[in-house]
Amino acid sequence: EAEVAQSPRYKITEKSQAVAFWCDPISGHATLYWYRQILGQGPELLVQFQDESVVDDSQLPKDRFSAERLKGVDSTLKIQPAELGDSAMYLCASRLDRLVSSYNEQFFGPGTRLTVL
Amino acid sequence: KNQVEQSPQSLIILEGKNCTLQCNYTVSPFSNLRWYKQDTGRGPVSLTIMTFSENTKSNGRYTATLDADTKQSSLHITASQLSDSASYICVVSARDSSYKLIFGSGTRLLVRP
Repeated sequence: EAEVAQSPRYKITEKSQAVAFWCDPISGHATLYWYRQILGQGPELLVQFQDESVVDDSQLPKDRFSAERLKGVDSTLKIQPAELGDSAMYLCASRLDRLVSSYNEQFFGPGTRLTVL
Repeated sequence: KNQVEQSPQSLIILEGKNCTLQCNYTVSPFSNLRWYKQDTGRGPVSLTIMTFSENTKSNGRYTATLDADTKQSSLHITASQLSDSASYICVVSARDSSYKLIFGSGTRLLVRP
């Protein structure tokens, strides 16, 4: 069964360091999402890609966060420099089609647990 | 403001018992409502999805209901199993230009033997 892949699964870093997370969506999925989930809360959207284009990054802290999906397939989320408040689970999700009106399912990856010391 | 509120925040039940989780939303205009199960340290997995015209949907021992008039949904778990221990997240999609998903904070369920 096809799954969204993420790596690393766990990352511990010191504040002010740079970190990067990778996501490989389900093959053929046009839409890719990055979410941040703080313990005990629901996920919040950071950025949404449609193919290689960003369609929503309104909640992405652009002074330190960046995301790219250069070839419209896999994606990288970077934080530089990391801060203590960035400790969270970072989830990637993908969806098959480009039609925003469709309720095609979003499939989530296992997440990357980031701890900033 | 579009919001999704879930209750209770946490719940402990004995194996074999039933339970019901609640979700209230203020999302408008409404598109659909989903329930996800999230095991500890894992990504959410979809259980059910309902549109405006659907008022109940089942997935095995999970049954979701939707009352679009009162903007309430519930997730009923029958004959709970230890593997049901997880967080259950209610998610509502607004029928606007973005169809962004609005997540509740989840109900953390612990099933004890």
